[in-house]
Amino acid sequence: DGGITQSPKYLFRKEGQNVTLSCEQNLNHDAMYWYRQDPGQGLRLIYYSQIVNDFQKGDIAEGYSVSREKKESFPLTVTSAQKNPTAFYLCASRGGSLSYEQYFGPGTRLTVT
Amino acid sequence: GEDVEQSLFLSVREGDSSVINCTYTDSSSTYLYWYKQEPGAGLQLLTYIFSNMDMKQDQRLTVLLNKKDKHLSLRIADTQTGDSAIYFCAVSSGGYNKLIFGAGTRLAVHP
Repeated sequence: DGGITQSPKYLFRKEGQNVTLSCEQNLNHDAMYWYRQDPGQGLRLIYYSQIVNDFQKGDIAEGYSVSREKKESFPLTVTSAQKNPTAFYLCASRGGSLSYEQYFGPGTRLTVT
Repeated sequence: GEDVEQSLFLSVREGDSSVINCTYTDSSSTYLYWYKQEPGAGLQLLTYIFSNMDMKQDQRLTVLLNKKDKHLSLRIADTQTGDSAIYFCAVSSGGYNKLIFGAGTRLAVHP
C-alpha cells in the first residue's frame, strides 16, 4: 500500500531530552512537510523540503531540526530548546512540481513532562 | 500575514445538508482545500478548487468559491453520522508549497 507512515503513534519524553519523530513515504513524492497541531488550532508549518538534501524553515521552526538524506524519509527532531513541545505532529508529502495535493500521515502525539 | 477563519462548531440532523464556511485574506491564493480529520487521526484530503473556478461538485460534496468576498464553503449533502469530524479549510500561500489552515470546524451529526 502506498502512503505515509509516522512512528510511533504516541511518544512520551522528559523535559530537556531531544526526541526524533519518524516520517516515511513510499509515494515517490518530492516534497515533504512537518506541521504541528495544538487543540482548537489549525496546523502550523514547522519545516518543509522540496527535494533531497534541501529544506526550508516554516512559520514555527525554532526549537526543531530536520534532515532529508533520502527521498522517502524526513525525520523531525524536537530539541530541548522548544519551549512547548507537547502537541500532535503531522507529516505530509506532495508529488512533483506540478502537483498541488498534500497528503498527510496519521500523526504522532508527543507528550513532554 | 495570511489568515483563514472558520466557525468552530456546526450541528446538523442526519440527512440534512451541512454547510461549512471559510474566509481568507490572501487574494493571491491559487488553490483552496478542504480536509477532514477524525479523532486522533491525520488529515484526509476531501476536495480542492482552483481560484479560477466558482464551483466544484464531487459526489455529496459541493465547494463554492466567492473570490471577490474571499469566501469558501463546503456543502455536504445528506449528512451521515460518519461525517462527524473536524473540517479544515486551507489555502495556498506563496505558491503551492505552503498551506495556511483555519482552526477547523467541528461537525456534529445527530439523529
